[in-house]
Amino acid sequence: AQSVTQPDIHITVSEGASLELRCNYSYGATPYLFWYVQSPGQGLQLLLKYFSGDTLVQGIKGFEAEFKRSQSSFNLRKPSVHWSDAAEYFCAVAENSGNTPLVFGKGTRLSVIA
Amino acid sequence: NAGVTQTPKFRILKIGQSMTLQCTQDMNHNYMYWYRQDPGMGLKLIYYSVGAGITDKGEVPNGYNVSRSTTEDFPLRLELAAPSQTSVYFCASSFDVSNTEAFFGQGTRLTVV
Repeated sequence: AQSVTQPDIHITVSEGASLELRCNYSYGATPYLFWYVQSPGQGLQLLLKYFSGDTLVQGIKGFEAEFKRSQSSFNLRKPSVHWSDAAEYFCAVAENSGNTPLVFGKGTRLSVIA
Repeated sequence: NAGVTQTPKFRILKIGQSMTLQCTQDMNHNYMYWYRQDPGMGLKLIYYSVGAGITDKGEVPNGYNVSRSTTEDFPLRLELAAPSQTSVYFCASSFDVSNTEAFFGQGTRLTVV
């Protein structure tokens, strides 16, 4: 079965600094990969997703993620963080057979300081 | 645009009580899911449904039951509430099971005392 690891529980960055959130997955083939964001007291919102093709995918709110098969990674990046980006971020994976629901990582909480 | 609607938003239960968490979606999605979220643990799948009349267990189904009599509704039932069921519960729906966006409700915060 597939699994997801987000090594960083909590990250603090300064406003305007760049951001990279790490995600590693375990799956035999190329999975479907997702990043979701959860603002305090809210449900999850999709930031971006990767199914196939170009390994660099663009998402909403200026986020991007790069799929690296050799590293089994799908790291999320943003060149310049805004205070409103403070939230919890979840990486998720699904089998490319299309038959199983998403499996989520434990999340990374992002704090943004002035 | 309602999307996925969960009720109630908050609830406190006593040990042994029962309750139903309601979930409705208006996007005509076949697939619906219940997750629970505990601090530092991410989201764990409780049950999911691939269509009306069809449900399947997820990773943590014990202590819960579901039904799917219509495409729109996917209620989650707790029969004998236990403190271990204190959590935030999220309902979600999607067009497909794994390769399209899942839309989430705003959650139900349940405390069992």
